Amino acid sequence: QQQVKQSPQSLIVQKGGISIINCAYENTAFDYFPWYQQFPGKGPALLIAIRPDVSEKKEGRFTISFNKSAKQFSLHIMDSQPGDSATYFCAAQNTGFQKLVFGTGTRLLVSP
Amino acid sequence: NAGVMQNPRHLVRRRGQEARLRCSPMKGHSHVYWYRQLPEEGLKFMVYLQKENIIDESGMPKERFSAEFPKEGPSILRIQQVVRGDSAAYFCASSPPGTQANYGYTFGSGTRLTVV
Repeated sequence: QQQVKQSPQSLIVQKGGISIINCAYENTAFDYFPWYQQFPGKGPALLIAIRPDVSEKKEGRFTISFNKSAKQFSLHIMDSQPGDSATYFCAAQNTGFQKLVFGTGTRLLVSP
Repeated sequence: NAGVMQNPRHLVRRRGQEARLRCSPMKGHSHVYWYRQLPEEGLKFMVYLQKENIIDESGMPKERFSAEFPKEGPSILRIQQVVRGDSAAYFCASSPPGTQANYGYTFGSGTRLTVV
């Protein structure tokens, strides 16, 4: 019940295309859903996050879509750029307990 | 304003030795978290500490692993008698006190432990 399932494991997108990464969770007590971006040799960096009282959040080229009834959320990267090539992790948190539960990651490669 | 500082960046230990990983949180942050990342896997929660207190250690292995966050100085993750399976990247994160802690936290660049 503490798992967050993430797909796909890897993704290749052409420059300018849309990258879509999906996550699903079981624990309805989760109330905070961040996405992290990680470059090789670096720590994860918070990219964008959403709470379940909204269905969508957009920051620049990055959008989170949230479906509370389906217990699913996804990251959309519009106009993908080679610099977006990284590993992306979704996560979920019950803010009463602080710890984050991470998905297994998606390795994104944006081809020039 | 330095971020979360971890050292060393890389650590090589022989089986049976001890590994000590250090983490200095961001200025003003009083909550520290340790996560472990195995190759090709996501991060797994290990422990959550505040100054001089362990708040949640539900992700810590029962043996050989310990963590502390003293009143002065960095947080330390200590692994005794390391085995090859301990080889991983260990990330520390910190967050500010109070309700702000619920809005995500900042990770360091990690310590990559290799056990030979």
